[in-house]
Amino acid sequence: DIQMTQSPSSLSASVGDRVTITCRASQSIRSSLNWYQQKPGKAPKVLIFAASSLQGGVPSRFSGSGSGTDFTLTISSLQPEDFATYYCQQCHSAPLTFGGGTRVEAK
Amino acid sequence: EVQLLESGGGLVQPGGSLRLSCAASGFTFNNYAMGWVRQAPGKGLEWVSSISGSGDNTYYTDSVRGRFTISRDNSKNTLYLQMNSLSPEDTAVYYCARGRTTATWQGGDNWGQGTLVTVSS
Repeated sequence: DIQMTQSPSSLSASVGDRVTITCRASQSIRSSLNWYQQKPGKAPKVLIFAASSLQGGVPSRFSGSGSGTDFTLTISSLQPEDFATYYCQQCHSAPLTFGGGTRVEAK
Repeated sequence: EVQLLESGGGLVQPGGSLRLSCAASGFTFNNYAMGWVRQAPGKGLEWVSSISGSGDNTYYTDSVRGRFTISRDNSKNTLYLQMNSLSPEDTAVYYCARGRTTATWQGGDNWGQGTLVTVSS
């Protein structure tokens, strides 16, 4: 199975900050990576697919990059509605595994 | 508007069974692979199973293979997850999610609100 390791597991940030979350795969997954945002009690929402493609309707302050084993989700200017938990997911091969999540909290 | 509505969750004893349903609307159901993802209380996301748009191809995570069966009725726009031999480790919110392609589920672009399954005596 492909292991997905996210870092950090949590971070504290302020509105307006640039936030970067990383995700590392245990083997190459090319660009087969999704990023999700999840708020408490809600379903996940896809932000980025295929490593760097922005899902329709998602603000442009979200961006994704990387290929192979190392990936990054960047929020260019954190907004109040962005405090949430973020997950990466590889879709290269079954089982489709998720990272452990990164909780973004208010500083 | 894409809508996915799960149902069928509840409290079940260890060793018991449940069938989850996910009613889909707002898109051509058989054009999309579908998946189930679960989240144990306070934990992260775990892919459980997925199925191609035609229903011909199914996939499972190891921990549920042989106990869970995914299926779909394209005439009713409904996805199912039959869960047998349930254990407390299966306690979670179960989400259905639409894939991006017909053939394989490679992540969800639309998700239901989830249904809670609690396995306890």
